[in-house]
Amino acid sequence: QLQLQESGPGLVKPSETLSLTCTVSGGSISSSNYYWDWIRQSPGKGLEWIGSVYYSGSTDYNPSLKSRVTISVDTSKNHFSLKLSSVTAADTAVYYCARRDCGGGTCYSSRGWFDPWGQGALVTVSS
Amino acid sequence: DIQMTQSPTSLSASVGDRITITCRASQSISSYLNWYQQKPGKVPKLLIYTASSLQSGVPPRFSGSGSGTDFTLTISGLQPEDFATYYCQQSYSTPLTFGGGTKVEIK
Repeated sequence: QLQLQESGPGLVKPSETLSLTCTVSGGSISSSNYYWDWIRQSPGKGLEWIGSVYYSGSTDYNPSLKSRVTISVDTSKNHFSLKLSSVTAADTAVYYCARRDCGGGTCYSSRGWFDPWGQGALVTVSS
Repeated sequence: DIQMTQSPTSLSASVGDRITITCRASQSISSYLNWYQQKPGKVPKLLIYTASSLQSGVPPRFSGSGSGTDFTLTISGLQPEDFATYYCQQSYSTPLTFGGGTKVEIK
């Protein structure tokens, strides 16, 4: 079945750029039925949507992070990536990648549900 | 942004109880509402999508209802493995947003 796995440094210094990659296995990232998303969860807190990418490369970001976020897709490697610049301690969180299933039909940029999720990657921002 | 408000924030219940969690959207989201379960240290798991559709493999004791601004997740016959935190999430418009969570604890 489809699996997602986050990878990247677990420790990032303040003001630097957080970089994570989500590798998709068991299925193709090049499907019109899905978006590929990043979500984070700060320690002991709730869930925050960071943004998404479509296989075509089109993206959508949370306005609260938009000035610092870049999400990209590499269909040849079947993975997608997150970059978050100018990080602070407030960016310390578990970062999840997830597939957003549009359920068939036209896949509007906001539609669908997250399933499956990656295992999550804890990223700590500290000097 | 659409704000999602869950209530209660926590509840205590016994095995076998029927419980209901409420999620309210700050504006109408039609039926674009999903529910997830998260256990400590684990990945969120999809339970219900588009307000009332049960995800494959999820026990039928879980059910969802609602449309517009008010939604409910019901667990009929709480099992030991159901003690967890539950989140709602709207997919009506971006930015996609989640409720703050409801923690279901053992009484």
